[in-house]
Formats: sequence, structure tokens, C-alpha cells
Amino acid sequence: EAGVAQSPRYKIIEKRQSVAFWCNPISGHATLYWYQQILGQGPKLLIQFQNNGVVDDSQLPKDRFSAERLKGVDSTLKIQPAKLEDSAVYLCASSISYEQYFGPGTRLTVT
Amino acid sequence: QKEVEQNSGPLSVPEGAIASLNCTYSDRGSQSFFWYRQYSGKSPELIMSIYSNGDKEDGRFTAQLNKASQYVSLLIRDSQPSDSATYLCAVNSNSNSGYALNFGKGTSLLVTP
Repeated sequence: EAGVAQSPRYKIIEKRQSVAFWCNPISGHATLYWYQQILGQGPKLLIQFQNNGVVDDSQLPKDRFSAERLKGVDSTLKIQPAKLEDSAVYLCASSISYEQYFGPGTRLTVT
Repeated sequence: QKEVEQNSGPLSVPEGAIASLNCTYSDRGSQSFFWYRQYSGKSPELIMSIYSNGDKEDGRFTAQLNKASQYVSLLIRDSQPSDSATYLCAVNSNSNSGYALNFGKGTSLLVTP
């Protein structure tokens, strides 16, 4: 069974630029999560989707971050404009029940 | 604020010894508890889940849960150098109708040959 796929794996941008990350969950997993992991910290939830509906986006900085999950499968997370403090690894996870499985992540560096 | 606390370490144990990793959580309503292993530069990998009080064993790993004390631990028997990684404790929090995870900062484990 294929795992969670993410792209790109690495991205370097300048502050105030925009960036987008893509995630394809494990087949059949209805729930998809985006987490932000800053170096030395545990992952922090940004947004949770159930099929193509948002369940929780309370910690998403909505002035600059947006996410969508069209057709209940793939998802895209966008940052516009990026700030220096957005430098982190962006992890996508999916689940069919309680256990969440993570993709390889996208390492974002904002200079 | 729902919090998950772990000692950051590093916890150093000799090869073949038992490594004991601990975690406390603040939300008494939490129902599901997980341990993830994260190698440097890699994403978290689920290694154990536990849902009821007591012990759960899987190979060299044993997870222990005490909901009254709001405490969950992970024991790694016969520790190997390949077990050297950061171990993240994660606790579910019912957010609306979802089951988002709150993570601790992780404990760094170093197994020395």
C-alpha cells in the first residue's frame, strides 16, 4: 500500500513570496491533516479535512495560509505572503480512524 | 490550553538496556495515545497506539497508560543503536468532530554501542 505522498520535498523562497505544497493521502483515508513542525518542536496542527470539508482550522493563520481539498482526495496548502517564521517542515498526514500516518514532509526555508 | 509534556533529553542508554520514555498530558478527556519515532531529517513514524489503561506490548516496545495520573510511557527493551531517534508522544483532542493530535516536543534517545 502506497503511503502519503507530498511534493515538493524542499523549497527555498524569499519573504513575501508565495508557495504551495501538495499532498496525496493513503487511498481510502477520508481524513487529511496538515501540520507545521518547527525545528526542535513537535508537529502542530494547521488544518484538518474530513473528505472535502474542513473540520478544524482554528490554528491556521488565515491572513496568509489557505488550504483546500478538492474532491476529497488531494490537498494543497498555500502560503501567501511568506514570512521568515514560516520556515519549517510541513507535514501531511491521513487517517481512516484514530491512527495517523505521515508523508515525508516539505522543508520550507524562507530567506 | 491542552498540553503534552516530555523531557527533551537527551536520554542516553547503553546497547541492550531498557529505555524508558515518559509523557504527561493535561486534557482529561483524551482518549487515544500514540508514540511516534522520528529520525533526524525524516517524518514521524507511528510505532505504538494505546487506548485503555494498562500495558500494550509489540515486539521490543511496551506502551503504558494511566489515565488517572494522565501519564503515558514507552519502554524499549534490548535497545539498539538503530533506536536512536526522537520519540514524540501524541494525544488526541476532540476538535469538533475530528481527532487532531497534540504532540509533545519529543525526547531524544541515544543508544550507545
